[in-house]
Amino acid sequence: AQSVTQLDSQVPVFEEAPVELRCNYSSSVSVYLFWYVQYPNQGLQLLLKYLSGSTLVKGINGFEAEFNKSQTSFHLRKPSVHISDTAEYFCAVTPDDSWGKLQFGAGTQVVVTP
Amino acid sequence: DTAVSQTPKYLVTQMGNDKSIKCEQNLGHDTMYWYKQDSKKFLKIMFSYNNKELIINETVPNRFSPKSPDKAHLNLHINSLELGDSAVYFCASSQTGLSYEQYFGPGTRLTVT
Repeated sequence: AQSVTQLDSQVPVFEEAPVELRCNYSSSVSVYLFWYVQYPNQGLQLLLKYLSGSTLVKGINGFEAEFNKSQTSFHLRKPSVHISDTAEYFCAVTPDDSWGKLQFGAGTQVVVTP
Repeated sequence: DTAVSQTPKYLVTQMGNDKSIKCEQNLGHDTMYWYKQDSKKFLKIMFSYNNKELIINETVPNRFSPKSPDKAHLNLHINSLELGDSAVYFCASSQTGLSYEQYFGPGTRLTVT
């Protein structure tokens, strides 16, 4: 079985400051890793994914994430946030042979203030 | 064009009623999913269909019954609605062999009174 832990339930950040959202996972098999964003009253949008290869993954809207196998982490970063980045962010994992059975973390609410 | 659409967007109903939520995707994907997001925003997978065949069936009350008439549609029927069924239900789709990258619909907010 897999599990995902997002270490921060809420992250307040000032506009143009950097932000890091932490995600740790546990799994006994190989997994694919994802970060999704959910804007208020909307569905989920994929930010980025890690399948294999380079451990630094770049996504949309200036986000990037680094996969660290030894620490079983997949932290999300953005060097300079905008007000429009205010949203809920979800880390998710799925075994690479599971038909896409995503296991989500509890989410991190990012609140960007001027 | 909306990639994954759901109807209705909002659904308010009384306990004991039966209701359905519909989902359609125009991405040509062969796999579709239903997720439930509770009031604390926790997301949990409920079901998945691949080419109309049920492949994921999580521990969900049997009052919930998914149906996939074709690979572009996945419906969710709920019998005898209970207060605890109040949640946002998301449909998603993906294509086999593309790392299970899932595209989500806008969600259906179900409120049971």
